Parts: sequence; structure tokens; C-alpha cells
Amino acid sequence: EIVLTQSPGTLSLSPGERATLSCRASQSVSSSYLAWYQQKPGQAPRLLIYGASSRATGIPDRFSGSGSGTDFTLTISRLEPEDFAVYYCQQYGSSSWTFGQGTKVEIK
Amino acid sequence: QLQLQESGPGLVKPSETLSLTCTVSGGSISSSSYYWGWIRQPPGKGLEWIGSIYYSGSTYYNPSLKSRVTISVDTSKNQFSLKLSSVTAADTAVYYCARMESVLDYWGQGTLVTVSS
Repeated sequence: EIVLTQSPGTLSLSPGERATLSCRASQSVSSSYLAWYQQKPGQAPRLLIYGASSRATGIPDRFSGSGSGTDFTLTISRLEPEDFAVYYCQQYGSSSWTFGQGTKVEIK
Repeated sequence: QLQLQESGPGLVKPSETLSLTCTVSGGSISSSSYYWGWIRQPPGKGLEWIGSIYYSGSTYYNPSLKSRVTISVDTSKNQFSLKLSSVTAADTAVYYCARMESVLDYWGQGTLVTVSS
């Protein structure tokens, strides 16, 4: 089973700042099968990025994804008030799905 | 627009079986090459994939839960269901259903299930 480790656990930033979130896999993940989600309190997660770097429908271009192999990054170029939330990475392989433990982006 | 809605008891006693149903609207559960699955989130914690059923009926389970999980589909009702047996307090969580390919693109709103006597 592939384990995804996200860092940092919490990121304290101000609106307008840049956020860089990391997701590291215990073994190589196909870039086609690495995704990122945003979750706000009391809501279901929302798909942000799929295929490591493609934005889902309706996702603003301040969100971008990159990486390959075992190291992947979600970048939010300029934080808007609505971006403060928890972010999860997720991988798929052999009809199995795993999530990272999440990174909370909080207002500083 | 595809919509998913979870339903089932919000309170289950320890050692009993948790049963939830996901009703899909706005699309057919059997007409496309998708998986339909369950994910849970204990209060204040992260997401855990429980298992999935392919449109063909094949099932796939998280190894850590496999011995207690059954997922089935009722295409006539456009629903799929989760059964989790021998529950304990550790199974208390918000349970989500979702449409799945390599990503989870449509989610239900989630339903809180508490395991308590």
C-alpha cells in the first residue's frame, strides 16, 4: 500500500501570500493518478487538481499542481479568504485509493 | 448534474452492523465505466477510503477493513450500499459516498454515524 505523507501539518499565512503544500509518496506514483482536494468545515471534499497538474472544472488558476514520482506540490499563488481550508492529496493504483493526512491552511 | 445522497441510521450500537445507502440521481449508476465508493472521516481526522464497487459489480476494499465490509449495488434503484460489521467506537465518522475513477469527482454531503450504546 502506498502511503502519502503531507507537510506541513499546518500552514499559517496571510491573505495574498503564497502557499506551498507538499505530498510525498512511499513509492512512485503515476502522475496521472495524483489528485488534490480542498475541504472546508462541514463540507465534502472538492476536487481541485487531477493528473498532478490539471485543474478541475471551475477551479481558479491561482491553484496549480506539480511534481512526479514520489514528490508532488500544490501551490496557491495568492491566498484568497475562501482558500483557508484543509487540503488532501490522493493517489490511485490497482483499484485502491489512499489519501494523505491533510494540510490545514489557516489565517495568520 | 450528478448528485449523491447518503442515508441510514445515525446511531449504531457496538458490535452491530452499520448500513448505509447512497442514492444517485442525474445519471445512471450502471451506464458508465465508473467506480462507486465509500469514504469515511472520523471527527477532526483525515479521509479513509473504505471500498468501491465497479459498474460491472466487482468490489474492492481497503485491506484494513476488508474482513468487515460489504458493498453492493441495486441498479434498479440507482443505489449502492455499505455494510460494516462488528462496529466499535473507532468506526464513528462522517461517511461519504462518491463517484470514483482515479479521482473522486462527485461526493455526497456525508452522514455522521455514531457508534454508541
